[in-house]
Amino acid sequence: EADIYQTPRYLVIGTGKKITLECSQTMGHDKMYWYQQDPGMELHLIHYSYGVNSTEKGDLSSESTVSRIRTEHFPLTLESARPSHTSQYLCASSDSWTPDVIFGPGTRLTVL
Amino acid sequence: SQELEQSPQSLIVQEGKNLTINCTSSKTLYGLYWYKQKYGEGLIFLMMLQKGGEEKSHEKITAKLDEKKQQSSLHITASQPSHAGIYLCGADGTGNTGKLIFGQGTTLQVKP
Repeated sequence: EADIYQTPRYLVIGTGKKITLECSQTMGHDKMYWYQQDPGMELHLIHYSYGVNSTEKGDLSSESTVSRIRTEHFPLTLESARPSHTSQYLCASSDSWTPDVIFGPGTRLTVL
Repeated sequence: SQELEQSPQSLIVQEGKNLTINCTSSKTLYGLYWYKQKYGEGLIFLMMLQKGGEEKSHEKITAKLDEKKQQSSLHITASQPSHAGIYLCGADGTGNTGKLIFGQGTTLQVKP
């Protein structure tokens, strides 16, 4: 079944740890995105990619980094997590032919 | 920059009642997306509107985009407890980029 997956769903870690949030999609979409959702529920784009080896920063500044080595995989990395990184991170994808943007289930990150 | 304003921010309705959620943009919309979210989970894609005057329906939910493409409404007919959640409108301001900005969301409670 074509879908978009995120792991882990929940993560609690200590300050200073390096973490990678995984996102994979099986829909063959060329475009992928990372959104951050704060406790006030507003969503903001932090990274996007229009294809392999293409990544750009979004509207909201983020200390995280992303990579796109394979079409289906778009991981997000925090080199040194801080409490200010506590948030929900949502991965999404779309393709160039249909405008539907499909979201994954999200990763809820808590940094102590 | 483009901003989206949703109203109301929260809504409590009796099961069986109809309701409407509005989404207003400060600029012309190239694509308007409606999503539903359960707290702490991912976004479920409902509908996407592109053309002025366009209207789409799925089960008991109808979304419309006005002719000027600056306002959209989401209407639920005969609400059920399963409709409860957070409804988010998102806009693609520059045309099929998939880079969405979001409104602040409308929290819907449906009382049995």
